Amino acid sequence: GQQLNQSPQSMFIQEGEDVSMNCTSSSIFNTWLWYKQEPGEGPVLLIALYKAGELTSNGRLTAQFGITRKDSFLNISASIPSDVGIYFCAGQETSGSRLTFGEGTQLTVNP
Amino acid sequence: KAGVTQTPRYLIKTRGQQVTLSCSPISGHRSVSWYQQTPGQGLQFLFEYFSETQRNKGNFPGRFSGRQFSNSRSEMNVSTLELGDSALYLCASSSPIALVQFFGPGTRLTVL
Repeated sequence: GQQLNQSPQSMFIQEGEDVSMNCTSSSIFNTWLWYKQEPGEGPVLLIALYKAGELTSNGRLTAQFGITRKDSFLNISASIPSDVGIYFCAGQETSGSRLTFGEGTQLTVNP
Repeated sequence: KAGVTQTPRYLIKTRGQQVTLSCSPISGHRSVSWYQQTPGQGLQFLFEYFSETQRNKGNFPGRFSGRQFSNSRSEMNVSTLELGDSALYLCASSSPIALVQFFGPGTRLTVL
């Protein structure tokens, strides 16, 4: 089946630093999504990307849909303690609505 | 608008039992998808229902089944529980227009 490789697996940063994480796929996706999950909760949608090359921002978060449609990255600027959590990328297939998820990036922010 | 709700939030069962989990989608959303989340396998797609019909199915054994009702509420059932079925089961709903999926808080199933 399709695989999404997400990196890094974990990040330990100081408050105020910028963060970057990315996902690559062996297959093409029509949509890329980025979610954040906190302990005991379901994933919360951060950004949705619908077109190759698209660059979208949501506050301090910026994500891009790669030109090849096989990759995406998420940047977080000026991190704050509440950014702590696990960030997942997800790709949506052309033929249906099933999401394929990356392994997640565990982000820790030290105040 | 209320988000996706799942009941129960926590469940403990023993091997061999069966379990039914419930999901109420966001009002107006007709598609409901189910995912299993475990530390080893991550988030894995189980199945998707739209207008009471299973539209898509992941690579899980037949012990995992689901259904959707006319009000778009969905249930999933796991029969003959195994220890490896211990996981967080997540439900997500989406609208026909936006297609993006919004997740509920999940049901934490522990099989002893």
